[in-house]
Amino acid sequence: QVTLKESGPVLVKPTETLTLTCTVSGFSLNNGRMGVSWIRQPPGKALEWLAHIFSNDEKSYSTSLKSRLTISKDTSKSQVVLTMTNMDPVDTATYYCGIHSGSYYGDWGQGTLVTVSS
Amino acid sequence: QSVLTQPPSVSAAPGQKVTISCSGSSSNIGSNYVSWYQQLPGTAPKLLIYENNKRPSGIPDRFSGSKSGTSATLGITGLQTGDEADYYCGTWDSSLSAWVFGGGTKLTVL
Repeated sequence: QVTLKESGPVLVKPTETLTLTCTVSGFSLNNGRMGVSWIRQPPGKALEWLAHIFSNDEKSYSTSLKSRLTISKDTSKSQVVLTMTNMDPVDTATYYCGIHSGSYYGDWGQGTLVTVSS
Repeated sequence: QSVLTQPPSVSAAPGQKVTISCSGSSSNIGSNYVSWYQQLPGTAPKLLIYENNKRPSGIPDRFSGSKSGTSATLGITGLQTGDEADYYCGTWDSSLSAWVFGGGTKLTVL
């Protein structure tokens, strides 16, 4: 059974850097063409894809947020880390990680709500 | 402004059928698989349909998907009150080199 769990701060101040960790179990981060993505959802709004990382360490980023995002993985810890710089109140959202199975997201974490406020 | 366009809301009575459309372009829906997700209130999204029309294990056959050209459709028959949720389509956009989601459709079962 695959499980994903997001962790990180619940509150960050404007201009700070957010670091989120996705810990995966039941799934190898070295698994073929599958990978792990980060997706967020502001309160009451739609899903927004942020970034993903494949088993071969290939990475992709949202065009609009690319300059602020970095995704990385630690295979030995089964963790994928997302950093987002220069946080703003509009970045307040629930942040999810999900397993990208080539053409869909079959498994999702429960999400973690991050609030940006001074 | 989402790359994929969905109607903001749809509604139908219990037992009826509803369809949710997802419109894109040649660089996304037109050339890649579409998947659909159900998000019940306060929960994470759940995969409903993948590769245009396939259902994961455990998803009832009341849910179906189709694709034609640059549009995709999610169909739900035999509506139940438990189907009230937000539904999202998603696919890869080859021009953006990014995954894209629709703006979501809120289903109300009257």
